[in-house]
Amino acid sequence: AQRVTQPEKLLSVFKGAPVELKCNYSYSGSPELFWYVQYSRQRLQLLLRHISRESIKGFTADLNKGETSFHLKKPFAQEEDSAMYYCALSRGSTLGRLYFGRGTQLTVWP
Amino acid sequence: DAGVIQSPRHEVTEMGQEVTLRCKPISGHDYLFWYRQTMMRGLELLIYFNNNVPIDDSGMPEDRFSAKMPNASFSTLKIQPSEPRDSAVYFCASRREYTQYFGPGTRLTVL
Repeated sequence: AQRVTQPEKLLSVFKGAPVELKCNYSYSGSPELFWYVQYSRQRLQLLLRHISRESIKGFTADLNKGETSFHLKKPFAQEEDSAMYYCALSRGSTLGRLYFGRGTQLTVWP
Repeated sequence: DAGVIQSPRHEVTEMGQEVTLRCKPISGHDYLFWYRQTMMRGLELLIYFNNNVPIDDSGMPEDRFSAKMPNASFSTLKIQPSEPRDSAVYFCASRREYTQYFGPGTRLTVL
C-alpha cells in the first residue's frame, strides 16, 4: 500500500530563514511525487513535480529513494510563502489518483 | 479559462436535508476527482471518474454519499441525508496528463 506522511502539521519560520517541509512516502514501485500549495482564499495548485526537477518560486524538492523522502526546501523564506503545503504521490505511469499527505501549514513571520 | 467551476461556493443546511454539489471540469480533461477537506482528516479522495466512468469510490464514507458524471462537462456529489459531521470543504478537480486542477471548493455546513 502507498502512504504519504508529512510529520509537521504546523511550521513557523522568520522571513529570510531557510525552510524545509518534510515528506516521506511508502510505496514499493516507482512513484511520482508532487507538491501542491494552497494560499489563503485560493485554489489548491501544483507547485512542483519531481520529474521536472525545476525550481518554482525558489522552492526545490529532491526525490531520495533511499530515504523515501521528497522534502520541499527554500533557502530564504518570504512572507508570501505562508500557505498550506501538501505532498502527493501517484503510482508511476498509472497516474490515476493522487495520494495526499495531511498537509503542513507554513507561516513565515516578518 | 475559468478553470474548474464549483457551485455553490457556500452551503448551509440542516441535518437530514439533501445536499447537491456541482462541478464543471476543464474542457478536454478526462479525469474528475471529488475530495473532502477537514481539519481533522486533511484532504481525502472520495471518488474519481475517468471518461465519465467511476473508477474508484472506496473513499465515499457511506451510502449517504453518491456521485454522478452524466457527461464530460458536469458532475454532482449528493449527500442524502446530510449530517453535521459532513461539514467540510468539498473540492472537485479535473486532470489532463499529470496535473490536477482544483476548483475553489464548496464550504458545506450542516447544522
